[in-house]
Amino acid sequence: AQSVTQLDSQVPVFEEAPVELRCNYSSSVSVYLFWYVQYPNQGLQLLLKYLSGSTLVKGINGFEAEFNKSQTSFHLRKPSVHISDTAEYFCAVSDPNDYKLSFGAGTTVTVRA
Amino acid sequence: NAGVTQTPKFQVLKTGQSMTLQCAQDMNHNSMYWYRQDPGMGLRLIYYSASEGTTDKGEVPNGYNVSRLNKREFSLRLESAAPSQTSVYFCASSKQEPPYEQYFGPGTRLTVT
Repeated sequence: AQSVTQLDSQVPVFEEAPVELRCNYSSSVSVYLFWYVQYPNQGLQLLLKYLSGSTLVKGINGFEAEFNKSQTSFHLRKPSVHISDTAEYFCAVSDPNDYKLSFGAGTTVTVRA
Repeated sequence: NAGVTQTPKFQVLKTGQSMTLQCAQDMNHNSMYWYRQDPGMGLRLIYYSASEGTTDKGEVPNGYNVSRLNKREFSLRLESAAPSQTSVYFCASSKQEPPYEQYFGPGTRLTVT
């Protein structure tokens, strides 16, 4: 099974500033990569996913992520955050041989005015 | 199209009581999952079901049982609740083909006193 490491557990950021959330996974075999967002007191919803092709993936709400195979990373970025981006963000990985997802421990983003 | 639904949304139990958490999906997915979410620990897989009629243990199955009632429904039972089972429980579902993207319910917040 894949191992997923989210390098930051908490990221405080000011409104309109950029944010980057880091995610590394354990294996360099072909994988599918996901970022999920969990707003307070809600379930997880898909933010974006990488399946193949272009290494830069665009998602909802202005988020994007870059897949780097050699560094086994899938970092999430947003150029300018809003208060409404305050949430917990989870990186997840699956590989073609295992339909279960492996999740990181999550990164809590707190946006301040 | 409701996606994944869970009942109840909140529950308080006394130690030793039993209860069943219900989950249903209307996306015709084969695979379903139960997770628990605890602060700082991300999502941990309790049980999963690859298809109707099959269930398997995940990372933290002790103290839980599951039933895959049909293709739509997957329930989680606590036979004798313990304070350590205080958590937020999420049900999810996915197709059994790549990329295995999971869709989550809104969660059940359980407190065991």
